[in-house]
This record gives sequence, C-alpha cells and structure tokens, in this order.
Amino acid sequence: KQEVTQIPAALSVPEGENLVLNCSFTDSAIYNLQWFRQDPGKGLTSLLLIQSSQREQTSGRLNASLDKSSGRSTLYIAASQPGDSATYLCAPTGGGNKLTFGTGTQLKVEL
Amino acid sequence: DTAVSQTPKYLVTQMGNDKSIKCEQNLGHDTMYWYKQDSKKFLKIMFSYNNKELIINETVPNRFSPKSPDKAHLNLHINSLELGDSAVYFCASSQDVSVNTEAFFGQGTRLTVV
Repeated sequence: KQEVTQIPAALSVPEGENLVLNCSFTDSAIYNLQWFRQDPGKGLTSLLLIQSSQREQTSGRLNASLDKSSGRSTLYIAASQPGDSATYLCAPTGGGNKLTFGTGTQLKVEL
Repeated sequence: DTAVSQTPKYLVTQMGNDKSIKCEQNLGHDTMYWYKQDSKKFLKIMFSYNNKELIINETVPNRFSPKSPDKAHLNLHINSLELGDSAVYFCASSQDVSVNTEAFFGQGTRLTVV
C-alpha cells in the first residue's frame, strides 16, 4: 500500500525567498507523480506532472524533481510571492492512474 | 469554460436522506474519478471509471453508487447518508488510464450531513 508523506506540514516565508517542499513515498513502482496546489475552499490545480522516466520538470518558477528509486520528490519554488500561498499536494500515480495523495504542505508567503 | 464541473458546490442534508452529486467534463477524457477529502484534509480515491466501466472501487460502502451515463459524466449517488459522510467530494478526469496522463479536478462539493 502506497503511503505518502510531505515535509514540512506548514511553512511560512517572506516574499522573495526560494523554498523546497519535500515528498516521500513508500512504493517506488509508480508511473508518474503530480504536484497540485489547493487554495482554501477550492479545488486542486495541477502544477506539474513528472513521468517516471524523468528526473525533473519545470514550469515557470516551479521545478519538480523525482528520484523514483529512493521514493522522493521535491518541489522548488523560486522567488516566492504572496499569491503562492496555498496547500501543496504531491500524488504519485499507480495502476489505473490512481493518485495517492500526501498530507500536504501549507505554505504562507508574507509581504 | 470549466473543464471539470460539479454540482452542487454545497450540499447540506439530514441523516438518512439520499443525495446525488453530478460531475461533467468537457475535455474529451475517457477516465473519470471520485475522490473524498475528509475533515483532516486527507484526499483519497473512491472510484474510477474508464469509458463508462468501473475500474477502481476503493472499498467504499455500497451506500455510495457511481453512475456513468456516458464518458463525459460520472455522478455519485449516496443512500442513507450518515454523519461520517460529511466531507468534500472531488470529481476528476484524465485522458485515459495509461501512464503519464495528467488528472484534472473539479472545484469540489462540500457535503454536510446534520
């Protein structure tokens, strides 16, 4: 059974800082891994999809890495902005395209 | 245009009632899902359908019955609602069940059972 842990659970940083969110998973037999953000009372927005054969994926100020063999992924956010404040969720994908979600990292970027 | 849309957004109902949540996607995807987010914000898959066929049923009580009239719709019907059913329910879709397909989520339906 896949178990996903995200560290830290919460993070507060001043605007402009670069930061790293960590995700670890117990079953390395994944097909890909997605990072999402969830704003309060809203749905999930897909940020990045890393295929199992890839080591990293970039979108704007976001860079996600994947080390499948060690069961780890990181999301790097460059030059953080208050609009980045949200909960970030990682979800490795198993058979049937089933996503297993982590507990999330609640990020607050302060002015 | 909303890619994955759910209705209603909020649902408050009494214990014992039967209710339905509707989901539609206009992305042309073959696969649709229902996820549940509990009070601790933990998200877990409930069902997935591929081309109207059930492919994942994650030990959900049989009071929950998904129905897919066509591949663009996956509705969730819940019988005899219980207090513990209170949660946010998310619908999602992906191109298919093959590897490397991105999942897109709806805005969620907050169900409160009183």
